[in-house]
Order: sequence, then structure tokens, then C-alpha cells
Amino acid sequence: KQEVTQIPAALSVPEGENLVLNCSFTDSAIYNLQWFRQDPGKGLTSLLLIQSSQREQTSGRLNASLDKSSGRSTLYIAASQPGDSATYLCAVDTGNQFYFGTGTSLTVIP
Amino acid sequence: GAGVSQSPSNKVTEKGKDVELRCDPISGHTALYWYRQSLGQGLEFLIYFQGNSAPDKSGLPSDRFSAERTGGSVSTLTIQRTQQEDSAVYLCASSSTQGQRQFFGPGTRLTVL
Repeated sequence: KQEVTQIPAALSVPEGENLVLNCSFTDSAIYNLQWFRQDPGKGLTSLLLIQSSQREQTSGRLNASLDKSSGRSTLYIAASQPGDSATYLCAVDTGNQFYFGTGTSLTVIP
Repeated sequence: GAGVSQSPSNKVTEKGKDVELRCDPISGHTALYWYRQSLGQGLEFLIYFQGNSAPDKSGLPSDRFSAERTGGSVSTLTIQRTQQEDSAVYLCASSSTQGQRQFFGPGTRLTVL
């Protein structure tokens, strides 16, 4: 069974700092990997999706990379802002199943 | 529609009752997904549909859970003989087709007393 781990579980940084969130998965047979953010009491928002054939995706201040062979993905957030405070989740698609990590809770301090 | 909608937003039921949760995906999206998030737990995948077909139902927690989708649009998740451990937020998502970005609804909070 696929296991998805996110490190760290929680992170607190001052505003303006660049940061990296990590996601690892145990089975490299994936179709894609997706990063989401979840705000308290709200649903999930898709940030980036990386297909298994891709190495990275960028959207604004966000950059996600994928190393399928080593079972790792990173989400890089540049010039963090207080509005980036949320829980970030990665999820892998194995075709018929989807596995989410437990998330990283990010707090950006003004 | 503009986004994924779910109803009801909240549901309180008594142990042993059946409940039905509804999901309206984004118009034109052929893939639809059901998840649940229990208090303090991560997101658990339940089932997904491509069109009206669910290729793999092994993610459903027990045979009390069933889901259907008709007309390639609305989906319902039914829980029979609810138990207290079924209490969770049930989330629905849709994507244009399988393997694309998923867009989530606001969820249905189910409380089983």
C-alpha cells in the first residue's frame, strides 16, 4: 500500500522567507502528484499538479518538483506572506486510488 | 455550475439510521471523487467515478457504504446503519477527466449520535 509522508508536520517562518515543504511516497508507480492547501474550516484548493513524466511545475511564487524514482516531491514557496498560512497537503494518484499525506501546517508571521 | 457543491452542509443523525450525501460536480467534469476526513485524521480516499463507472470500490470502508453516479453528473454517497465512527467531513471533488486537477466542494459534516 502506498504511504505518503510530509515533513515537517508544522512550520513557522517570518514573512518574506523562502521555504520548502517535503512529501515522500513509498511506491514510485504513480500517475501524478498534486499539492493542495487547506484553510481552516474550508475545503481544499489545488495548487499544482505534476504528471509522472514531468519534473516540475510552477505557478506564481510556487514551484513543485517531482523525483519519482526516489519517491519525493518538494513544494517551494518564495517570499512567503501571511496569506500563505494554511495546511499544505500532497496527494499521489496511483490510477484507481488516491493517497494523501498528513500535511504540513504553515504559519507565516508578519 | 461555478464550483463543486455538496448537500447537506451538515447532517446530524442517530446511530443505525441511513444517510445520503449529495455531490454536484463542476459542469462538464467527467471524473468525481469522494473522500472523508475524520477529526484529527488525514484525508481518506473512498471512491472515484469516471463517467458513471467506479473502477475500484475497495476504498469504501465497509459494505454499509455505497456510491452511485447517474447521467455522468450528480453523485450520491449512501451510508447504511450509521455508526459513531462514521462521523467525519465527507468531501467531494471533480476534475475535467481522470488525472487532472481536482476541485473540491465545501464538504458535508456528518455527526452520528
